[in-house]
Amino acid sequence: GAGVSQTPSNKVTEKGKYVELRCDPISGHTALYWYRQSLGQGPEFLIYFQGTGAADDSGLPNDRFFAVRPEGSVSTLKIQRTERGDSAVYLCASSLVGIGQGGTEAFFGQGTRLTVV
Amino acid sequence: LAKTTQPISMDSYEGQEVNITCSHNNIATNDYITWYQQFPSQGPRFIIQGYKTKVTNEVASLFIPADRKSSTLSLPRVSLSDTAVYYCLVGSAGNTPLVFGKGTRLSVIA
Repeated sequence: GAGVSQTPSNKVTEKGKYVELRCDPISGHTALYWYRQSLGQGPEFLIYFQGTGAADDSGLPNDRFFAVRPEGSVSTLKIQRTERGDSAVYLCASSLVGIGQGGTEAFFGQGTRLTVV
Repeated sequence: LAKTTQPISMDSYEGQEVNITCSHNNIATNDYITWYQQFPSQGPRFIIQGYKTKVTNEVASLFIPADRKSSTLSLPRVSLSDTAVYYCLVGSAGNTPLVFGKGTRLSVIA
């Protein structure tokens, strides 16, 4: 039914705290992506899941960032010891991807606006 | 990953046709070309996708020359509500994530 859902829509946290951002993809979509977007910039790739496994996590900026997708549907992006520079909109997208089946149409959520104060 | 280059910004009057060209000189054989639209405070939204020649849907047309080293998104008769950032992406399913550039900021003026 619904599209990609992200919660919370807004999160304000203090520097040094731990945060979790949740993404509910479209049912049946095997691929899930996390991005972050700063003002005036395009979305910056963080991590990409195929099913339960991280197919590409090369975009995670450092080891404070971690993401899981234990059952191949819902995903959680976890940020430890948050810093003010982590403030951004975190976007999640999902797509129905088959190997060799051509291009990818991804569906994005509205994002979670994270503000670290 | 094939890199894309597109204009940073464009202005247009309402009712005009807008063409945004994207360069992707090192596009791979399996790559598709996809365009997304993003409004402020929203996630990007898929507009159109193609592999070669021309694709048309209810929103836009996509023109791809034979060498596939560029593509042009055509928006017919734009309105104020088409003011957004438009991203050109190149990639193929199942192996690489979507990589966004800075996009083209289209401003439609009354």
